[in-house]
Amino acid sequence: SQTIHQWPATLVQPVGSPLSLECTVEGTSNPNLYWYRQAAGRGLQLLFYSVGIGQISSEVPQNLSASRPQDRQFILSSKKLLLSDSGFYLCAWSVQDSDGYTFGSGTRLTVV
Amino acid sequence: GQNIDQPTEMTATEGAIVQINCTYQTSGFNGLFWYQQHAGEAPTFLSYNVLDGLEEKGRFSSFLSRSKGYSYLLLKELQMKDSASYLCAVTDSNYQLIWGAGTKLIIKP
Repeated sequence: SQTIHQWPATLVQPVGSPLSLECTVEGTSNPNLYWYRQAAGRGLQLLFYSVGIGQISSEVPQNLSASRPQDRQFILSSKKLLLSDSGFYLCAWSVQDSDGYTFGSGTRLTVV
Repeated sequence: GQNIDQPTEMTATEGAIVQINCTYQTSGFNGLFWYQQHAGEAPTFLSYNVLDGLEEKGRFSSFLSRSKGYSYLLLKELQMKDSASYLCAVTDSNYQLIWGAGTKLIIKP
């Protein structure tokens, strides 16, 4: 069966520090992978998506970046965090539209 | 621009029925999703509609009218555990998923 792992669950980081969030998928090949951010009480904002290794599309200009070094691994990074980067970060994967997106458990990031 | 509208918050009573509406204006249409999100947790998939009509899954049903740009999620026999946010999302002509801000459903005993 397909599973998605995302870690860490919570993170408190000082302003200006780096960030690395990792997401891995098991049980499927060549999935579409996504990074979303959800601010408190707000909708989901698509940050990056990837249709294959090394293929990254950015939806929102920001100080974040993403990489896909392996087929089932998706990494969200920042060199210097801002206060506005605080939020709930969700990784998701999909294969077929009718199956919807499957989300990881999320990382709650607080930048202080 | 692309837009999805759904009520911000709704309240219903345990055991009752509630209908959560969603209207959308997108560049093309390739399907509509409903997701459930409990506070502090990730969204989970509920339903997918690509053709007009009603899709039923146990206590939950989802309806779509493409000509009206309209969908609703119907929840029957409400339980306290149904208290959550319900997210409507539409896949546009580029197969990008456009998300609504979600409807927070409060269930009262």
